[in-house]
Amino acid sequence: DAGVIQSPRHEVTEMGQEVTLRCKPISGHNSLFWYRQTMMRGLELLIYFNNNVPIDDSGMPEDRFSAKMPNASFSTLKIQPSEPRDSAVYFCASSKWDLTKNTEAFFGQGTRLTVV
Amino acid sequence: RKEVEQDPGPFNVPEGATVAFNCTYSNSASQSFFWYRQDCRKEPKLLMSVYSSGNEDGRFTAQLNRASQYISLLIRDSKLSDSATYLCVVLTSGTYKYIFGTGTRLKVLA
Repeated sequence: DAGVIQSPRHEVTEMGQEVTLRCKPISGHNSLFWYRQTMMRGLELLIYFNNNVPIDDSGMPEDRFSAKMPNASFSTLKIQPSEPRDSAVYFCASSKWDLTKNTEAFFGQGTRLTVV
Repeated sequence: RKEVEQDPGPFNVPEGATVAFNCTYSNSASQSFFWYRQDCRKEPKLLMSVYSSGNEDGRFTAQLNRASQYISLLIRDSKLSDSATYLCVVLTSGTYKYIFGTGTRLKVLA
């Protein structure tokens, strides 16, 4: 299995530009999560989907952030317009939800975003 | 108050030492617990799940105390390769959300 695949691995963009981050979850997983990691705030959950439906987006910082999951194998996180304070590592994770046992979340390698 | 709290460290210990980390959580409805490990500039990876009765995996032992709402990780006979950040993770009943602590940094010294 290829694991969770994110692209791009690195992104440098100018303030005000639109940024789109992409994620392909592990095949067969039904939950997908977007996290942001900074030194100051650690790993913050931005939004998560279950069976392609957004369940909780309360972690999305502002209206400039949006996420979609058009099908079970693809999700995007978009920032428009981007600002320097959005600079962080963005992780996508997926899991196969099972109420009967502990199920772990598997992470992609992350996208390191720098907004200048 | 944060949902999941950890001492950020760093914990600097010599090789061979035993080190323990604690993590507290605020939601009593939390149902599943994990320890993840994150190496510098890498993604978090599962170290071990934490079960109600406590569990062991080689040199690593995890404990859960529901009454006091904390989990712990004990590492025996520390190796240089154990140097990393250890993240406490909590899953709450009725949600699918994995909430991470900010992590505890461990440095094992030769």
